Amino acid sequence: EAQVTQNPRYLITVTGKKLTVTCSQNMNHEYMSWYRQDPGLGLRQIYYSMNVEVTDKGDVPEGYKVSRKEKRNFPLILESPSPNQTSLYFCASSPYPLAGPHQGELFFGEGSRLTVL
Amino acid sequence: ILNVEQSPQSLHVQEGDSTNFTCSFPSSNFYALHWYRWETAKSPEALFVMTLNGDEKKKGRISATLNTKEGYSYLYIKGSQPEDSATYLCASSGSARQLTFGSGTQLTVLP
Repeated sequence: EAQVTQNPRYLITVTGKKLTVTCSQNMNHEYMSWYRQDPGLGLRQIYYSMNVEVTDKGDVPEGYKVSRKEKRNFPLILESPSPNQTSLYFCASSPYPLAGPHQGELFFGEGSRLTVL
Repeated sequence: ILNVEQSPQSLHVQEGDSTNFTCSFPSSNFYALHWYRWETAKSPEALFVMTLNGDEKKKGRISATLNTKEGYSYLYIKGSQPEDSATYLCASSGSARQLTFGSGTQLTVLP
């Protein structure tokens, strides 16, 4: 089954304790992206990756890191989480880069709800 | 950062009613407009991706139109059903390599 898998789905942690949210897709997509969803706001992009070893900042990258060492995986790293990073996080992938005439729909993971105390 | 706006923010309709919502986006440097449906406790799922001015797409009772010159898209639902209750998100991509999402329209269909 084609899917984007995120782990963990739920996590409660404390300020300053490093954590990683994993994201894996089995569709051989080039493009992957992380978003956060907060009440009253749209999905805001944190980081994206056009392909292996190519990553770029989105609209709200502060406090996050990513890596793209393999095509299928795109982990989100919070080196020192703070309470303002409490949010619902979505990983997504797409078969095409979003720039240019060929636009691919995003396939989303099930979301990871993170609480930082 | 693109500014993508959706209206209304929320909407309640009776089962069987038809409804529509609006997505407005900057018309300069436009590449594509996406619509997603997001049901509670699930992940967003793509409805449509449109790129050309005048594009119209349809999936069952749901359809969408696109006007890139004036920067808006409409999503229509004909004969709303309770299972249509969800948040409908639109997103636009401009010259940057990223989609910018609106805050969504939350639709509740009352039986």
